[in-house]
Amino acid sequence: NAGVTQTPKFQVLKTGQSMTLQCAQDMNHEYMSWYRQDPGMGLRLIHYSVGAGITDQGEVPNGYNVSRSTTEDFPLRLLSAAPSQTSVYFCASTKDRPAGNEKLFFGSGTQLSVL
Amino acid sequence: QKEVEQDPGPLSVPEGAIVSLNCTYSNSAFQYFMWYRQYSRKGPELLMYTYSSGNKEDGRFTAQVDKSSKYISLFIRDSQPSDSATYLCAFGAGSYQLTFGKGTKLSVIP
Repeated sequence: NAGVTQTPKFQVLKTGQSMTLQCAQDMNHEYMSWYRQDPGMGLRLIHYSVGAGITDQGEVPNGYNVSRSTTEDFPLRLLSAAPSQTSVYFCASTKDRPAGNEKLFFGSGTQLSVL
Repeated sequence: QKEVEQDPGPLSVPEGAIVSLNCTYSNSAFQYFMWYRQYSRKGPELLMYTYSSGNKEDGRFTAQVDKSSKYISLFIRDSQPSDSATYLCAFGAGSYQLTFGKGTKLSVIP
């Protein structure tokens, strides 16, 4: 049972480069989301999706793009990387919506450095 | 006033101690109260959740919610070195977004 799989685990980019962080889940979850975690800032929601073809913005969406073409995959695109996007990124999913016993299942994270 | 306040610590205690972790919140719309545990270099995992004021116990862990004071706590009894982690409070208002605290880093010293 793989759960939520994120790739890559580590990435170094130069300012202005673009890249895609991959996220896949095998639990048939409708809800998927992306968070970034920074020291002293906690977990902040970037984008989320409630099903294939449906996405919405979270607290810090600027500079990021998402799409959801299948139930399983929810990639996060950095269009033009900036040093402010240096962070640890987590993908998380749940069956319907994150509340109470509908816990969020997190991936193991992608550590991104933008130079 | 920030929506959620959580002391980041770090908190260091001897093995066997009782640990108290706390969060305050300002949003009256929060209906779900959760604690996630995050080990170093791992994603967070749900530890406990509750919907109402009062206490909820699960083994050595007790989650306490006081809606009138907008205050939640997590108590860990007989703390173990394996409890060393960052503990994040989380709140839900029935929408598709959770609000997380910044996390408290706990170290339990053998």
